[in-house]
Amino acid sequence: EAGVAQSPRYKIIEKRQSVAFWCNPISGHATLYWYQQILGQGPKLLIQFQNNGVVDDSQLPKDRFSAERLKGVDSTLKIQPAKLEDSAVYLCASSANRGTTDTQYFGPGTRLTVL
Amino acid sequence: AQTVTQSQPEMSVQEAETVTLSCTYDTSENNYYLFWYKQPPSRQMILVIRQEAYKQQNATENRFSVNFQKAAKSFSLKISDSQLGDTAMYFCAFYGSYDKVIFGPGTSLSVIP
Repeated sequence: EAGVAQSPRYKIIEKRQSVAFWCNPISGHATLYWYQQILGQGPKLLIQFQNNGVVDDSQLPKDRFSAERLKGVDSTLKIQPAKLEDSAVYLCASSANRGTTDTQYFGPGTRLTVL
Repeated sequence: AQTVTQSQPEMSVQEAETVTLSCTYDTSENNYYLFWYKQPPSRQMILVIRQEAYKQQNATENRFSVNFQKAAKSFSLKISDSQLGDTAMYFCAFYGSYDKVIFGPGTSLSVIP
């Protein structure tokens, strides 16, 4: 079974530029998560999708971050415009269903550096 | 608001020995789930063990076990017979009844040969 795929693996941009990250979850997984992991900290949940609907986006900075999962499969996270403090690893995870009986499987992450 | 605290930023253990990682949390909920995740250097995060709050019995997975003290809001991870491959960041995570997922800051564990 293929794991969670993310691209790109690394991205370096200047502040005020835009960037987009892509995630393809494990086939058949209904729930998809985007996390931000700043160096030395634990992951922080940005947004959770159930199929193509948003379950929780309370910690997503909506003035600059947006995310979509149009067909309930892969997802895109965008930052526009980027700030220095957005430098982090962005992790995508998926689980078969919403709820805690299903394991979250994580992707390798995208490391973003904002200069 | 829920919080998760891991008071040990770094720990080390000799190979084959036992080590315990601490985690405390704060919540007003009664039904929730707790997890320990492992993030090896430059590798993907994987689930180590999970505990349902309504279960009194502590979860075990091979060499990994937890000590869940619901009243004290404590959830420690014990690794027995430590192996070099256990070297990683370990994160304690809380999953509440309103789909709130909160990770602790992590503990960096080094297994020394």
